[in-house]
Amino acid sequence: DGGITQSPKYLFRKEGQNVTLSCEQNLNHDAMYWYRQDPGQGLRLIYYSQIVNDFQKGDIAEGYSVSREKKESFPLTVTSAQKNPTAFYLCASRSWDRSSYNEQFFGPGTRLTVL
Amino acid sequence: EDQVTQSPEALRLQEGESSSLNCSYTVSGLRGLFWYRQDPGKGPEFLFTLYSAGEEKEKERLKATLTKKESFLHITAPKPEDSATYLCAVQARGAQKLVFGQGTRLTINP
Repeated sequence: DGGITQSPKYLFRKEGQNVTLSCEQNLNHDAMYWYRQDPGQGLRLIYYSQIVNDFQKGDIAEGYSVSREKKESFPLTVTSAQKNPTAFYLCASRSWDRSSYNEQFFGPGTRLTVL
Repeated sequence: EDQVTQSPEALRLQEGESSSLNCSYTVSGLRGLFWYRQDPGKGPEFLFTLYSAGEEKEKERLKATLTKKESFLHITAPKPEDSATYLCAVQARGAQKLVFGQGTRLTINP
């Protein structure tokens, strides 16, 4: 049963803590993405990766970091430098094909709350 | 700068009452326009991709259409289970990212 999994579903962070959100996919997709969703706003891109060991900043990368050591995994770390981290975080992936465009598919999300 | 604006922000309909959601966009060369459905507390679910003006796609009670400036998501005879937030996104040629609108929250009353 192929898909994208994110864990945990809910995460609570204290001030000054770093936390890591997990994203795993078994769809054999090349590209993976992290988005942030705030109430009343569209999804905003944090980071993306097209291949293993390579990733690019999105529109709101400050205070976040990522790694892509395996094709299946793209964890996101929310650092203490992110001043307003409370949000719904979504991971997405898509296959990479130069001859056609393939849609992004999303995981179930992680809701992060700062205490 | 690529932009997407969805209207209305919220729409409440009676069961069976057909309507349309609007997605206006400006993009430097459209690669694709995407519609997603999102239920509360869940990730977006892919619905449609449209690539060029004049294109239409249908799925059950939903039909998406595309012009050079906007896309419509038509919902025919909706049911309460169609209640969700509908998201529109565009991708420019040569770009990796999607630019999302803020969504339309649709409520279908029985």
